[in-house]
Order: sequence, then C-alpha cells, then structure tokens
Amino acid sequence: SQQGEEDPQALSIQEGENATMNCSYKTSINNLQWYRQNSGRGLVHLILIRSNEREKHSGRLRVTLDTSKKSSSLLITASRAADTASYFCATDAWGGGNKLTFGTGTQLKVEL
Amino acid sequence: DAGVIQSPRHEVTEMGQEVTLRCKPISGHDYLFWYRQTMMRGLELLIYFNNNVPIDDSGMPEDRFSAKMPNASFSTLKIQPSEPRDSAVYFCASSVIAGVDTGELFFGEGSRLTVL
Repeated sequence: SQQGEEDPQALSIQEGENATMNCSYKTSINNLQWYRQNSGRGLVHLILIRSNEREKHSGRLRVTLDTSKKSSSLLITASRAADTASYFCATDAWGGGNKLTFGTGTQLKVEL
Repeated sequence: DAGVIQSPRHEVTEMGQEVTLRCKPISGHDYLFWYRQTMMRGLELLIYFNNNVPIDDSGMPEDRFSAKMPNASFSTLKIQPSEPRDSAVYFCASSVIAGVDTGELFFGEGSRLTVL
C-alpha cells in the first residue's frame, strides 16, 4: 500500500518559475526522501531529510518536513526544462525495517 | 562505478511462459530491493535482501513470484507462469545501510515486462 500521497498529481509551469510538490504520509518516520524519475528511466535520489530536521537545501531544491502534520514539501526554484520528470517522496517508516515506501508521484512539466 | 545493472531492459512474452529478470547491484552494497511500477499501483516493494538473505518478501504478489540472491553481486526475480497482469516495469535497487536509517537507494534502469 502507498505510504505517501502526493499533491498535485500533475503540475505544468513555465521555465524560471518555482515548482512546489507536497507529500503526506501516515506513520512515524526515520527519514523522508525525494526521488526524480525521467521518462523511461530509473529513479534518482535527490535529497533526504531526517525526522528531527525541519528544512534542508540542496542547490535549487528546498525540502521541508512537518512531522506533526505528517507532510513534506519539495520546492524547485528557477525551474528548467530539464526538470521535467516525475517526483516521488519515499518514507523510511520508524520500526518498519530498512525499506522505503514510495508515494504516488507528481508529474512536473516545465515548458519553455 | 557502473551503477545497478538490470537485464533484460525489455521483455515481451506470452502468458504462461517463465520470465527471469536479473540484477547486479553496486559493489559493496549490502541491501538489494526489487520494486514493481505500474500506472495503477505505483511503486510497490516486492522483496528485499540484506547480505544475500531475504528479509521481507511480504510484497511478493503470489507464489508465481520468486527471488534469489545467490551471491553479493547477483539477484534474480522469476515469474512462473507469467500472466498479463504481471506487465509492469521491474526495478532493482541497492544500498548501503548503517544503523536503523534507510539511506539513499540506487536504482537500475528497470526491466519493462509485457505479458501478452
């Protein structure tokens, strides 16, 4: 079953705009991770945020985590056409063993 | 490093045939995961191994599915007999995990299976 639900399911923006994707999950977590998947390719890890962290940055990526609301957001600033991909959150559930459960994903399209 | 290597990239087979998917994890990684991706169900964890030992196979859909990891550098996922509903992209991923936290997973490019 899906641990994470992402919102929106699809997002279309213009190059240079910011893109925000949200993830909600159900159980307590050790960490939450975001992955990108280009069409027809495997998933690529973007960033990991631990349960005791509230915000993390990596280049043009900013991730926030609110454990009280069981939610996370991924912000991509100054988007580029190359950012067009599907984005997934994945949760490492506390006491759930060493495995990740993936959300439903957000399809991002960045238009020139 | 070459990354996680999966084969075949594409497989088309007929219902009832045996399918074997293969995975070579990144050298030194002690965890290996098999996921299945479909439009309807998204990414589902099928099974994962630690040091070649299956830890959790609760995601394996039914007895037609089996997975093995005979050594640290090779794993197989077998479907016998295959059915049209098994059509999906199957991903292998590997990782090094220290402590209780699950870290970054490194994914292969996937094996796209079509069962006619």
